[in-house]
Amino acid sequence: EADIYQTPRYLVIGTGKKITLECSQTMGHDKMYWYQQDPGMELHLIHYSYGVNSTEKGDLSSESTVSRIRTEHFPLTLESARPSHTSQYLCASSEGGWQTYEQYFGPGTRLTVT
Amino acid sequence: AQSVTQPDIHITVSEGASLELRCNYSYGATPYLFWYVQSPGQGLQLLLKYFSGDTLVQGIKGFEAEFKRSQSSFNLRKPSVHWSDAAEYFCAAAGGTSYGKLTFGQGTILTVHP
Repeated sequence: EADIYQTPRYLVIGTGKKITLECSQTMGHDKMYWYQQDPGMELHLIHYSYGVNSTEKGDLSSESTVSRIRTEHFPLTLESARPSHTSQYLCASSEGGWQTYEQYFGPGTRLTVT
Repeated sequence: AQSVTQPDIHITVSEGASLELRCNYSYGATPYLFWYVQSPGQGLQLLLKYFSGDTLVQGIKGFEAEFKRSQSSFNLRKPSVHWSDAAEYFCAAAGGTSYGKLTFGQGTILTVHP
């Protein structure tokens, strides 16, 4: 069982609000990822990190930002939420290095912006 | 461009019947391949993975997948489906040196009739 946590699980918020989605893992993984998933659609990578103080934008452009100050923590922030940000956000982590390893996923945060 | 295609958006089977979910990839070299399962409102759980070696890989919950280089396919199979297998299934791929960035297929929703 993977130890990766996301809070909140569900969030309904008004337009213009600032929000932070939390993601934490206890496996000591260097690599962490944020995906955006619309209903019935595939996952799109929006941010990733190879370690502390390392963040990169993913394949899908996103207005969100991320930080990686601690290995176990990878929060995602939206400065001003809009209805177009309504989606499910999934966090994942994996072992570090240049090689590919399997990713472990959190339960997701379902965000609704009204 | 690298891509993963799952041709079947929705599959319905009867409980006890066999199952095959299709996955095709387009990569410059043989990618690392994964199958994940997602239950409603949950994150993704890894079913199995292929990195190299034996082309028939066994996973959890009685699933297996076969890598066929000539067909660029990695189809998921199960000989006898249980009602609890109803979920959405995602095929994913990554290059061996891609630092673990996954490309996902569109997903296949599996419905199981009693």
